Amino acid sequence: KAGVTQTPRYLIKTRGQQVTLSCSPISGHRSVSWYQQTPGQGLQFLFEYFSETQRNKGNFPGRFSGRQFSNSRSEMNVSTLELGDSALYLCASSHTTGRGYGYTFGSGTRLTVV
Amino acid sequence: AQSVSQHNHHVILSEAASLELGCNYSYGGTVNLFWYVQYPGQHLQLLLKYFSGDPLVKGIKGFEAEFIKSKFSFNLRKPSVQWSDTAEYFCAVNAGGGADGLTFGKGTHLIIQP
Repeated sequence: KAGVTQTPRYLIKTRGQQVTLSCSPISGHRSVSWYQQTPGQGLQFLFEYFSETQRNKGNFPGRFSGRQFSNSRSEMNVSTLELGDSALYLCASSHTTGRGYGYTFGSGTRLTVV
Repeated sequence: AQSVSQHNHHVILSEAASLELGCNYSYGGTVNLFWYVQYPGQHLQLLLKYFSGDPLVKGIKGFEAEFIKSKFSFNLRKPSVQWSDTAEYFCAVNAGGGADGLTFGKGTHLIIQP
């Protein structure tokens, strides 16, 4: 079956702009979580959605937001981009939430802020 | 909140050598434990996971890990590495209640010399 699909793969934005990233989970998976990966901070949890509801949120400013649609697809939005937001953004999907059941990761969207 | 520590940031081994990568976590409650691998240019893949039961967990590609609750450790092992094992390895923890998503260690960059 198809894996987790993230679009776009690469993105270049200017400081101050906003950006929306998309994630399509594995068919049947209802939980989608987002992570930021940078060389300095490593992999950090952003938030998790299940059945269109945000279940958990990591320690990121309010400029980072997300949502999940009824078909489980998810988007994350970053407003007022800063240079430090340059990172690989990873999406992971799972059958359910709460116990970290076998998260499957996508290839990520590499965001560069200039 | 939980944290994860991976002791070795860079490891260089020769083919056929034995491998052990250290992982310690800090969380007093029930945890779910994972090892993920990221091959060059590829997405994160799940190597193995521990939820409960036998503390010795076997994963894909000949990897195994042992959960030692008293030491808060979940070390990854492989008896004989191959050149194709060159990759970044991440240990991750999820608190039993599922809060805060996955907390990752900083990763270990493993290089296998032929």
